[in-house]
Amino acid sequence: AQSVTQLDSQVPVFEEAPVELRCNYSSSVSVYLFWYVQYPNQGLQLLLKYLSGSTLVKGINGFEAEFNKSQTSFHLRKPSVHISDTAEYFCAVSDLAGNQFYFGTGTSLTVIP
Amino acid sequence: DVKVTQSSRYLVKRTGEKVFLECVQDMDHENMFWYRQDPGLGLRLIYFSYDVKMKEKGDIPEGYSVSREKKERFSLILESASTNQTSMYLCAITPGGSYNEQFFGPGTRLTVL
Repeated sequence: AQSVTQLDSQVPVFEEAPVELRCNYSSSVSVYLFWYVQYPNQGLQLLLKYLSGSTLVKGINGFEAEFNKSQTSFHLRKPSVHISDTAEYFCAVSDLAGNQFYFGTGTSLTVIP
Repeated sequence: DVKVTQSSRYLVKRTGEKVFLECVQDMDHENMFWYRQDPGLGLRLIYFSYDVKMKEKGDIPEGYSVSREKKERFSLILESASTNQTSMYLCAITPGGSYNEQFFGPGTRLTVL
């Protein structure tokens, strides 16, 4: 089985500052990795995903994440945040068949003007 | 585009009522999932289904049942609603093929009084 740990439950950051949201996972098999964003009272939208290949993955809205196999991490970064980035962010893993997904407990990002 | 719809955005029910939450997808996808989302707990899997009339228990099936009579529709049933089932309920599908991620509906925020 897999599991996901998001190390920070809340991250406040000033507008135009950089941000990193941390995610670690554990698995005995190869996995796919995902970051989702959830705006208030909405479902989850995919930000980016790592399947294979380059360990640096770029997603929508200027976000990127780096897969580090030795540290079993998949941290999400953005060099300059905007007010509109205020949302809940979830890290997730799945097996390669995509039959089971495991989600972290979420990180609430608040961008301060 | 993959589209997942849920029958209600907001629902208020009384303790003991039978509650139906419906999820509909617009294409012939097989894998459908029901999660509940609570602050600090992330997404927890209730039930999932790989095909018509098939269902599998997730991590927290107690107090819930599901029905999948047609491929495009996956229903979550609360046989006798209780206040501790007040939550956000999210339906998701995994289309497979060239898609590796889950696609989510907008969610149903259920309040049980």
